[in-house]
Amino acid sequence: AQTVTQSQPEMSVQEAETVTLSCTYDTSESDYYLFWYKQPPSRQMILVIRQEAYKQQNATENRFSVNFQKAAKSFSLKISDSQLGDAAMYFCAYNFGNEKLTFGTGTRLTIIP
Amino acid sequence: DAMVIQNPRYQVTQFGKPVTLSCSQTLNHNVMYWYQQKSSQAPKLLFHYYDKDFNNEADTPDNFQSRRPNTSFCFLDIRSPGLGDAAMYLCATSRGDPTLVTLHFGNGTRLTVT
Repeated sequence: AQTVTQSQPEMSVQEAETVTLSCTYDTSESDYYLFWYKQPPSRQMILVIRQEAYKQQNATENRFSVNFQKAAKSFSLKISDSQLGDAAMYFCAYNFGNEKLTFGTGTRLTIIP
Repeated sequence: DAMVIQNPRYQVTQFGKPVTLSCSQTLNHNVMYWYQQKSSQAPKLLFHYYDKDFNNEADTPDNFQSRRPNTSFCFLDIRSPGLGDAAMYLCATSRGDPTLVTLHFGNGTRLTVT
């Protein structure tokens, strides 16, 4: 069974600084998809960034980028120039080609003004 | 804006009293999901509908049922809520394309069981 592990239950970062959230996963598949979702307090969960495993290039969305290491089964999220609005729970998720996602346990990110 | 709407935002029910949570979508997506999320935990998939096809997770208790009368609406029924069923319930949708599984979430319904 596929599992997703986020080893950092909580992280904090100074506003305008850079922070990296870790995610590892276990799978025997070669083609799959990885995601980072953001869940702000009392607000809906939204997609931050997505990576296709067959792509070697790391995905980037504005201040958000990933470091995808397929051999190591690692998928970290880097947030540059952290802003107060980035404070949220961040969930790493995995999908291997059906309609279901497997989520990690989440990392709570606090932004220090 | 196209969206996923969950009602109510907060629901209080008594131990053993049936409760229904609702979800509607204007995205015209094929797949609708129900997740249970307890405090500081990962969302746990209860079941999902791919069009009219119901897909139950193996470890979802029989106490949880779902209905999808049409494309736009999906309901979560808890037949006899226990204290352990207090949680946030998240509805989500996706197109169902296996190469592009991006979930769109509603705001959730927080269920309290007294």
